[in-house]
Amino acid sequence: GQNIDQPTEMTATEGAIVQINCTYQTSGFNGLFWYQQHAGEAPTFLSYNVLDGLEEKGRFSSFLSRSKGYSYLLLKELQMKDSASYLCAGETGNQFYFGTGTSLTVIP
Amino acid sequence: DAGITQSPRHKVTETGTPVTLRCHQTENHRYMYWYRQDPGHGLRLIHYSYGVKDTDKGEVSDGYSVSRSKTEDFLLTLESATSSQTSVYFCAIRGTGEKNQPQHFGDGTRLSIL
Repeated sequence: GQNIDQPTEMTATEGAIVQINCTYQTSGFNGLFWYQQHAGEAPTFLSYNVLDGLEEKGRFSSFLSRSKGYSYLLLKELQMKDSASYLCAGETGNQFYFGTGTSLTVIP
Repeated sequence: DAGITQSPRHKVTETGTPVTLRCHQTENHRYMYWYRQDPGHGLRLIHYSYGVKDTDKGEVSDGYSVSRSKTEDFLLTLESATSSQTSVYFCAIRGTGEKNQPQHFGDGTRLSIL
C-alpha cells in the first residue's frame, strides 16, 4: 500500500505558526495534496505540490521534497477557526491515497 | 461550492439489507470517487469511475459495487450490508482540464448498519 504518515494530534496557540508534517514511502506520486476537514464536514482542498519547493497561498503554504518523501503544511497567524483535521494525500494514476489526518487544536 | 450532492445524508438500516448511495454532480467532471472514512483509518478509496460505464476498484472494494450509467451520477451499492460497513461515505469529483486538479467532496452520507 501507499504508506502516508502524519502526526495524530497537534496543539498550537492563536496567532502562532504551526507546521504539520507528512511523510510517504512511495516514489510514484504525481502530486501531494492537503485538505482541511472540520468535524462533521467534508474535506476541502487547501494546497498541492507537484514540484519540489514551497507553494504559498495566503496564510497557508505547502512544501514538498520528492527525494525525501516529505511534505509539510505551514499555517501562519493561526485563528480559532483553523481547529480542524488536516489530511495529506498523494496522487498517482488518478487515485488518491490519504493519511489518517492530523487533528489541530488552536488554543487562545 | 463544487456542484456535488450526496443522498441520502443519513441512513440507518439492518444487517443483510441492500443499500444504495447516490452521488450527483453538475460539473460534467470525468472522474468520480467513493470513499469511506473511519476513525484511525482516514479516507479509504472504495471504487472510482473514469467515465460512463468505466469503473475500477480501490483498496477496500469488497462488499461494494458501483455503477455509472451517465456522467452526472455515480451509485454505490452494498448488496447485503454488514455492521463493518457502518461508516461515513464521501463522494468526490475531479476535473481533468488541467493537470493535478484536486478532488472536491460531497457533504457525506452517515450510514449505520444495526
